[in-house]
Amino acid sequence: QQQVKQSPQSLIVQKGGISIINCAYENTAFDYFPWYQQFPGKGPALLIAIRPDVSEKKEGRFTISFNKSAKQFSLHIMDSQPGDSATYFCAASIRPNQFYFGTGTSLTVIP
Amino acid sequence: GAVVSQHPSWVICKSGTSVKIECRSLDFQATTMFWYRQFPKQSLMLMATSNEGSKATYEQGVEKDKFLINHASLTLSTLTVTSAHPEDSSFYICSATREQYFGPGTRLTVT
Repeated sequence: QQQVKQSPQSLIVQKGGISIINCAYENTAFDYFPWYQQFPGKGPALLIAIRPDVSEKKEGRFTISFNKSAKQFSLHIMDSQPGDSATYFCAASIRPNQFYFGTGTSLTVIP
Repeated sequence: GAVVSQHPSWVICKSGTSVKIECRSLDFQATTMFWYRQFPKQSLMLMATSNEGSKATYEQGVEKDKFLINHASLTLSTLTVTSAHPEDSSFYICSATREQYFGPGTRLTVT
């Protein structure tokens, strides 16, 4: 059973555009929702994270929007750049040994 | 953020041999570390949770005797793939802390 559902599987965006990746979850006990960026051959890097007591968190060009009632959260990448081309994973956690990852989104930003 | 290192970054070994992968937390102490496996273009699969000073907790379906985990200190966890076979070829990644700071990963190829 997939605890965290992520879409789309792949995404192509023009340079300067907005990239949007969505995730949905079922377990209301999740209390930590991070996003990771992974380049080929590298480990995932924590990009930004949010807790369910806030609806939005912004760090530079990256924003997480969180909708607790809909059990959905999304990553917005503003002014997307070719260097943002990578695979993005959302995740949800209850405690350290219960960490669930989405299936990943391959983002390609076209110059 | 916290820094986690892995060694080696890549390794090639022959079938039947054992390979040890090290995961170190460089600027903090980690009582718990996590080991993941990732196949190409797929999400991360948690293999086990490594606990300092005690036995690791393995996820369902992961062979404890094949993937030996030792967490001997607060900064070092090791994963030993015993009697490796070609199907063990994969990308192995460790992480630490609740926020899941990941190491750079180790590419294992078994010939």
